[in-house]
Amino acid sequence: DQQVKQNSPSLSVQEGRISILNCDYTNSMFDYFLWYKKYPAEGPTFLISISSIKDKNEDGRFTVFLNKSAKHLSLHIVPSQPGDSAVYFCAASRHNYGQNFVFGPGTRLSVLP
Amino acid sequence: NAGVTQTPKFRILKIGQSMTLQCAQDMNHNYMYWYRQDPGMGLKLIYYSVGAGITDKGEVPNGYNVSRSTTEDFPLRLELAAPSQTSVYFCASSHLKGGTGELFFGEGSRLTVL
Repeated sequence: DQQVKQNSPSLSVQEGRISILNCDYTNSMFDYFLWYKKYPAEGPTFLISISSIKDKNEDGRFTVFLNKSAKHLSLHIVPSQPGDSAVYFCAASRHNYGQNFVFGPGTRLSVLP
Repeated sequence: NAGVTQTPKFRILKIGQSMTLQCAQDMNHNYMYWYRQDPGMGLKLIYYSVGAGITDKGEVPNGYNVSRSTTEDFPLRLELAAPSQTSVYFCASSHLKGGTGELFFGEGSRLTVL
């Protein structure tokens, strides 16, 4: 029973265009969400987060949108660059409740030059 | 800046063997975690620790043990290795408690049990 889903295993985008990665969750108690990026043979690295009190958070080319009623979040990368090619994991947690971040299965993004 | 260091990076075990995956962090983080990642799956929490001397089970603890004698080190012990433990293992640490803040990950340890 996956509590965090990333239904697109892979995504290809042209350089300079927008990349949109989607994530759905089932547990309405989740109130903190993170995106991680992972290159081959490396550990995941933190990209951006959002608390449930917000519906948008921006950091440079990266923006995360949260739709609580739909239990859906998305990561927008604009403009996409070849160096953005990686696996992106969505993760969710309950604020101040245990230590378990629940991760989605990841989406492999390929940015084509 | 070392961050989180895991050793070994690769290991092949025979069924029934035991081994320890080492993890060390130099960021003075209180919170440390072990995750495993199976193909096509998200990371699943095996064990975590909120400080030296304190450990607790995560989602998939069976077949593993941990200890936390110092703030820096959080080794993961596999007893009686089984093929189901073939996976990539990630150690992580965190400054903030309670499921907020970012996790800092090591590069991973790829374990194959034959």
